[in-house]
Amino acid sequence: DVKVTQSSRYLVKRTGEKVFLECVQDMDHENMFWYRQDPGLGLRLIYFSYDVKMKEKGDIPEGYSVSREKKERFSLILESASTNQTSMYLCASGRQFGSYEQYFGPGTRLTVT
Amino acid sequence: AQTVTQSQPEMSVQEAETVTLSCTYDTSESDYYLFWYKQPPSRQMILVIRQEAYKQQNATENRFSVNFQKAAKSFSLKISDSQLGDAAMYFCAYRTLGGATNKLIFGTGTLLAVQP
Repeated sequence: DVKVTQSSRYLVKRTGEKVFLECVQDMDHENMFWYRQDPGLGLRLIYFSYDVKMKEKGDIPEGYSVSREKKERFSLILESASTNQTSMYLCASGRQFGSYEQYFGPGTRLTVT
Repeated sequence: AQTVTQSQPEMSVQEAETVTLSCTYDTSESDYYLFWYKQPPSRQMILVIRQEAYKQQNATENRFSVNFQKAAKSFSLKISDSQLGDAAMYFCAYRTLGGATNKLIFGTGTLLAVQP
């Protein structure tokens, strides 16, 4: 079974703090994704990566950055957390070719106070 | 740009009954994938069913089936014999076959409640 894990289920941070959210997948997938999930807005893509050290902006990259130094690990960084970044963050991974299915992690609920 | 619309924010169904969740999408492409994902409360999102646009036959997975109407750009999910475990948020998603990566575009979701 594909396994995508995220470093924390719940996180509380203060405004201005630097926040790291980490995601690890164990299926050697080329692609990894970070989404933000908010009620009424569905899932919105923040950043994605199609290879090690390669990244592309998604639909809402402002205020975020990412890092992918190893194929299995994809980190989302909030350089200076703000209250409007309070949200559920979902990581996903998937193959470059094939079924195109994405496999999701359990999510991190981040609260910025 | 492609968009996905789920017009039913919430739905409710009685246990053992059938329910249909709606999804429409907008695209100028002729080849693509469509997906339904399920997100149970406090649990991981999982794939329910997928449909390849070039296939005319509607996909089926046990109690879950789709009604894919390509010309109408409609992709509804039918859940038969609903069970309490079907209660979840359901997301419709679109995947273009063009481009370098398998990006998904999601709808806003439908929250399904199952009444015993």
